[in-house]
Amino acid sequence: EAQVTQNPRYLITVTGKKLTVTCSQNMNHEYMSWYRQDPGLGLRQIYYSMNVEVTDKGDVPEGYKVSRKEKRNFPLILESPSPNQTSLYFCASSPDSGTAAFYGYTFGSGTRLTVV
Amino acid sequence: AQSVAQPEDQVNVAEGNPLTVKCTYSVSGNPYLFWYVQYPNRGLQFLLKYITGDNLVKGSYGFEAEFNKSQTSFHLKKPSALVSDSALYFCAVRAYSSASKIIFGSGTRLSIRP
Repeated sequence: EAQVTQNPRYLITVTGKKLTVTCSQNMNHEYMSWYRQDPGLGLRQIYYSMNVEVTDKGDVPEGYKVSRKEKRNFPLILESPSPNQTSLYFCASSPDSGTAAFYGYTFGSGTRLTVV
Repeated sequence: AQSVAQPEDQVNVAEGNPLTVKCTYSVSGNPYLFWYVQYPNRGLQFLLKYITGDNLVKGSYGFEAEFNKSQTSFHLKKPSALVSDSALYFCAVRAYSSASKIIFGSGTRLSIRP
């Protein structure tokens, strides 16, 4: 089944403890992106990747890192999480970087992160 | 700057009645517009899109959306609501600055009562 898989689904952690949220897609998509969803704010883009080894900042990149060493994987790294990063996170992918907005995105099921 | 606005946080409709979820947009150039739906504990799912052509776009689950250029709106509609339509709905627009980026609205929670 074609899908975007995120892990874990739920995570509670403490301030300052590094964590990684994994994202993997099995559709050979070029474009991948991370969003955070907060009530009343909709989805805001954190980072995106147009292809392997090509990443760039979105609208709210502070406090996050990403890497794209392989086409299928796009992990989100929080080096020193803080409570204001408590949110619902989504990974998304699209077939072609040049036309991702034409095809639309395929989303993962989300990761609910709580930082205490 | 490109943006979308969903003026209603919540829409309540009785089952069997028509529903409308409102969206207005602001873009430079021709808009690419989308609707996504999010069911509880799930990721967003693509419903429909408008790129060009007919102003009435048909999508999944019996939903349709009407593009109105003069009013810069892209309202989501369904003639007869089902309880299973209850979910969070997001309107989105392609960002002018990037062919890849989609900007999402704040979301509207649709509640269908039996």
